[in-house]
Amino acid sequence: AQSVTQLGSHVSVSEGALVLLRCNYSSSVPPYLFWYVQYPNQGLQLLLKYTSAATLVKGINGFEAEFKKSETSFHLTKPSAHMSDAAEYFCAVMDGGATNKLIFGTGTLLAVQP
Amino acid sequence: DAMVIQNPRYQVTQFGKPVTLSCSQTLNHNVMYWYQQKSSQAPKLLFHYYDKDFNNEADTPDNFQSRRPNTSFCFLDIRSPGLGDAAMYLCATSRDKTGGNEQFFGPGTRLTVL
Repeated sequence: AQSVTQLGSHVSVSEGALVLLRCNYSSSVPPYLFWYVQYPNQGLQLLLKYTSAATLVKGINGFEAEFKKSETSFHLTKPSAHMSDAAEYFCAVMDGGATNKLIFGTGTLLAVQP
Repeated sequence: DAMVIQNPRYQVTQFGKPVTLSCSQTLNHNVMYWYQQKSSQAPKLLFHYYDKDFNNEADTPDNFQSRRPNTSFCFLDIRSPGLGDAAMYLCATSRDKTGGNEQFFGPGTRLTVL
């Protein structure tokens, strides 16, 4: 079964610092991977997705992620954190079966300190 | 703008009193999903419709039902809400179920059970 693991349920960075949110996946086939952001009491917004094209994926709001098959990782980065980046971030793998459902990690809550 | 709309955004019901949550979409997508997200947890798929074809997850309680009267609308019915059903309910759509089709989420309905 496919799964994702997010290391660090809480991450705190200073404004302007590098953001690194970790995600490792488990999949027996080439996966489809996604990063979503969720602001308080809001739905999920897609940041970026990996669908086996380029290994470095650029998303919205200055975020990017690199697919590394050898490390089974898909970490999310942003060079310079902004206060508005404070939110919860979910990594997800798409189940390639009949459902094509998203299987989410447990989420990482990002705090940005002024 | 094409979007996924959920009504109401906040719903309060009493223990055991049936409640219906609504989702509509202007994307003309074939697939509509319902996820349950409990506090500080990842979203978990309850069921989905592929066109008119209903697909229930194996561990979704019988208390949860769904209807999709047309392409645009999908409803989540909770027949007898318990305290443990208090959660954010997220509706999502995707164009198809082929690999890599991203899911678009609505803003969610937060359900409180008294």
